[in-house]
Amino acid sequence: EAQLVESGGGLVQPGGSLRLSCSASDFIFSNYDMHWVRQVTGKGLEWVSGIGIAGETYYGDSVKGRFNISRENAKKSIYLQMHNLRAGDTALYFCTRGLFERRGSSKGDDAFDLWGQGTLVTVSS
Amino acid sequence: DIVMTQSPDSLAVSLGERATLNCKSSQSVLYRSNYKNFLAWYQQKPGQPPKLLIYWASIRESGVPDRFSGSGSGTDFTLTISSVQAEDVAVYYCQQYYSTPLTFGGGTKLEIK
Repeated sequence: EAQLVESGGGLVQPGGSLRLSCSASDFIFSNYDMHWVRQVTGKGLEWVSGIGIAGETYYGDSVKGRFNISRENAKKSIYLQMHNLRAGDTALYFCTRGLFERRGSSKGDDAFDLWGQGTLVTVSS
Repeated sequence: DIVMTQSPDSLAVSLGERATLNCKSSQSVLYRSNYKNFLAWYQQKPGQPPKLLIYWASIRESGVPDRFSGSGSGTDFTLTISSVQAEDVAVYYCQQYYSTPLTFGGGTKLEIK
C-alpha cells in the first residue's frame, strides 16, 4: 500500500531553520509531483510548496524566499528546508502526492490523493 | 491568487438527509482547452489527514461512496451528500488546482442534527 512518512518536525526558535523529510513507499515515486501542505491546529489547509518530476518548484506566497523544496528520487524522498522561521509557520506539515502520474514537467496543477500523517513544527522562543 | 470561499461554515443535518456544501472561486477554474474544472473536494476527520473525495469537480476518487457527488463549473461548485451517515461527520474542503499558488477554501464542518 502506498505510503508517505514525514519526519524532522520539532521546536525551533524564531529566525531558526529546520529541514523536513518525507519518505515514500510502494509507488513509482519518480512519476509523481510531490507537495507540502500545512495546517495550523484547529484551522484550515494551506499549500506550502510543490516539486515536479523534472525538478520544477513552486511555492506559496508566505514562504517564498524562505523555504526550499527538493527531491531525491533514488531515496524516494522529498525535503523542505525552512529558514527564517516565524511564529506563523507553526503548523502540522503534511507531505502529499500529486494526483496525476506525469510524463514530463508540469505547472504545479495538482490535487492530492495520498497524504502522510504529518510532522509538527513549532516556532517559539 | 485564486481565493476559494466555502459556505456555510458549518452545517447540521439529520441522518439520512441530504447535505449541500458550496464552494466559490474568485476566478474561473475551468480550463477551456479540455473543458475541465480544476476543482477537488476533501474530507478531514479529527486527528486524520484529509482524504480526496472528488476531482475534476465531479469525478469520485476510487473507493468513495456514491452518496458523495460533485457538481458545478467555472466559479461555483457543490458537494452533495445524498444521505448523510454518522461517519460523514468531518470538515470538508474544496481546493483549486488551476494555478499556483494552489488554494483551499476555509472548510465546512458537517455535524449530525
